[in-house]
Amino acid sequence: SQELEQSPQSLIVQEGKNLTINCTSSKTLYGLYWYKQKYGEGLIFLMMLQKGGEEKSHEKITAKLDEKKQQSSLHITASQPSHAGIYLCGAADKGSSNTGKLIFGQGTTLQVKP
Amino acid sequence: SAVISQKPSRDICQRGTSLTIQCQVDSQVTMMFWYRQQPGQSLTLIATANQGSEATYESGFVIDKFPISRPNLTFSTLTVSNMSPEDSSIYLCSAMAGRETQYFGPGTRLLVL
Repeated sequence: SQELEQSPQSLIVQEGKNLTINCTSSKTLYGLYWYKQKYGEGLIFLMMLQKGGEEKSHEKITAKLDEKKQQSSLHITASQPSHAGIYLCGAADKGSSNTGKLIFGQGTTLQVKP
Repeated sequence: SAVISQKPSRDICQRGTSLTIQCQVDSQVTMMFWYRQQPGQSLTLIATANQGSEATYESGFVIDKFPISRPNLTFSTLTVSNMSPEDSSIYLCSAMAGRETQYFGPGTRLLVL
């Protein structure tokens, strides 16, 4: 079965600094989702990537999917306290591409110090 | 995009009892799912809620413990039956309108004593 590994598991950065979170899959990705979760709350959809080499940005957050479609990165520029939370990558593997079922990485906890 | 609401947002229950969680989407969606997030862990898919038919359960989850209904394209319920402290989790509903973006509800925080 497919597994997703996120790194780092946790991250503490000073406000204004840039940071990157990685998500590596054991199999080819056919849809990679990034979500943000505040402690104990639901998931906020950030971005979805499907094509090798694809890159998407929203405000100060950029997500990329590598050409081989086995690794994705989430980059935050000039971090702010509002960026703090748990970042989760989720993937639809080939067998699930038509069913919508997702598997998730273990999450990366981000703290931003003012 | 789809806006998803869940009720209740949180509850504290006694062991042996059951709780039904409701999920409402503001538009018709093709697929709805129920996930569980145990304390300190990531999300695990419980089942796909199928409209007008029995839900499709993932390995490790059974209908007797987690009965699911989906009477129409915008509403689903998940019941956690005969609860034990191990059922203490956040339960999240999600929905897909097409074949891409999957949106999540705010979650239901359940504590079983």
